[in-house]
Amino acid sequence: AQSVTQLGSHVSVSEGALVLLRCNYSSSVPPYLFWYVQYPNQGLQLLLKYTSAATLVKGINGFEAEFKKSETSFHLTKPSAHMSDAAEYFCAVSPSGGGADGLTFGKGTHLIIQP
Amino acid sequence: DVKVTQSSRYLVKRTGEKVFLECVQDMDHENMFWYRQDPGLGLRLIYFSYDVKMKEKGDIPEGYSVSREKKERFSLILESASTNQTSMYLCASGTLSQNQPQHFGDGTRLSIL
Repeated sequence: AQSVTQLGSHVSVSEGALVLLRCNYSSSVPPYLFWYVQYPNQGLQLLLKYTSAATLVKGINGFEAEFKKSETSFHLTKPSAHMSDAAEYFCAVSPSGGGADGLTFGKGTHLIIQP
Repeated sequence: DVKVTQSSRYLVKRTGEKVFLECVQDMDHENMFWYRQDPGLGLRLIYFSYDVKMKEKGDIPEGYSVSREKKERFSLILESASTNQTSMYLCASGTLSQNQPQHFGDGTRLSIL
C-alpha cells in the first residue's frame, strides 16, 4: 500500500522568499513521485516527476524537488516566490510511471504568497 | 498537447437523480481515471479503466459506476445521487508507457441538493 503525507495544509511565504513544500511517502516498491499544481477553478497541471533517472528533478515555473530515499521524502522548492505561485499543490505517488495506475495523492498544501 | 475535456464545469442535481459526468480525451490513451476532490482530503480514486468495456474499482467506488464504450470516452455515473456526493470530480487519462504522467481535465463541480 502506498501513502503520501504533505506537512502543512497551508504555507505562507513572502514574495521573493524561499518556497518549501514538504512531502513524505511510503511505498512497498520503488516509487514514481509527482508534484501537481492546481490554480483556482482549474484542473491539475504537472509540475515535475521523479522516475528514478535523477534524484534532483527540475520542473516548470522554477520549481524543483529532491528525492531522498533515506528520508522517504520528495520536498518541493522554489528559490524565490512569485505572486503567481499562489495555488494548491499536491504530491502524488504511483507504483508505475503514473499513466498506467491510479495515483495516490496527499491532502494538498495551499500556498499563500504575501506581498 | 493532450486534451482531457469534461462536459460540464458546474452541475446542480437533486437527491435521487441519476447523474452522468462525461469525459473525453484526444490522445488515444489506454487508461482513464475518475477522481473525487474534497477540501482537506486531496484527490481520491473512484474508478479507472485500462481498456474499452473494462473497469477497476479505486479507493472509493461506493455509490458510483462507470462506462467506457469507446476508447476516448469515460463516463462516471451516480446511480442515485446523494448530498454527500457533492464534490469536485476530476477525470484523467494516461498511457501504459512509463514515465508518462496522467493528464487532467478542468473538473466538474457537482452540487446535489
